Amino acid sequence: QQKVQQSPESLIVPEGAMTSLNCTFSDSASQYFAWYRQHSGKAPKALMSIFSNGEKEEGRFTIHLNKASLHFSLHIRDSQPSDSALYLCAVSSASSGSWQLIFGSGTQLTVMP
Amino acid sequence: DMKVTQMPRYLIKRMGENVLLECGQDMSHETMYWYRQDPGLGLQLIYISYDVDSNSEGDIPKGYRVSRKKREHFSLILDSAKTNQTSVYFCATPGPYFGPGTRLTVL
Repeated sequence: QQKVQQSPESLIVPEGAMTSLNCTFSDSASQYFAWYRQHSGKAPKALMSIFSNGEKEEGRFTIHLNKASLHFSLHIRDSQPSDSALYLCAVSSASSGSWQLIFGSGTQLTVMP
Repeated sequence: DMKVTQMPRYLIKRMGENVLLECGQDMSHETMYWYRQDPGLGLQLIYISYDVDSNSEGDIPKGYRVSRKKREHFSLILDSAKTNQTSVYFCATPGPYFGPGTRLTVL
């Protein structure tokens, strides 16, 4: 069964820093990779997703996928206090079933002003 | 804007009581999900519904059952709630797009 693990568990960075969050998965047949952001007391919201190897940039956020290494990451440029949240990675594969995402346990990010 | 609603938002029950969590969606999605979220465990899938009366177990179905009699409504039922079912429960539609969550405490 697919296993998804995130690192680090928590991270504190100063405002303006580059933040890097990591996610590893176990199923090499995985097809869809996503990051979700969850502010305290709120529902998770989709941030970015990617299907194929490489990078995708949207504003200050970049997602990087390396299927051979079973790894993908989220990079946040010029981190802001409003970026403070729980970040969840998620992976979907044929073994997971129809549109069934397997989530990591999350990285708690704190951006200090 | 697509909307997923959940009721109630907060619920306190005693061990052994029955619990009903309700979810609604306004986009006629065939598929709906129930997840629970616990600190350090991420989001765990409890049940998937593929349409009315077409439900499938997720990763942690034990202690739960679901009901889907109308496409726009999906209910999660805990018969005789246990203290280890204290959690935040999220309903979702494909995306997934999550509802606001129900914080359930079982004493």
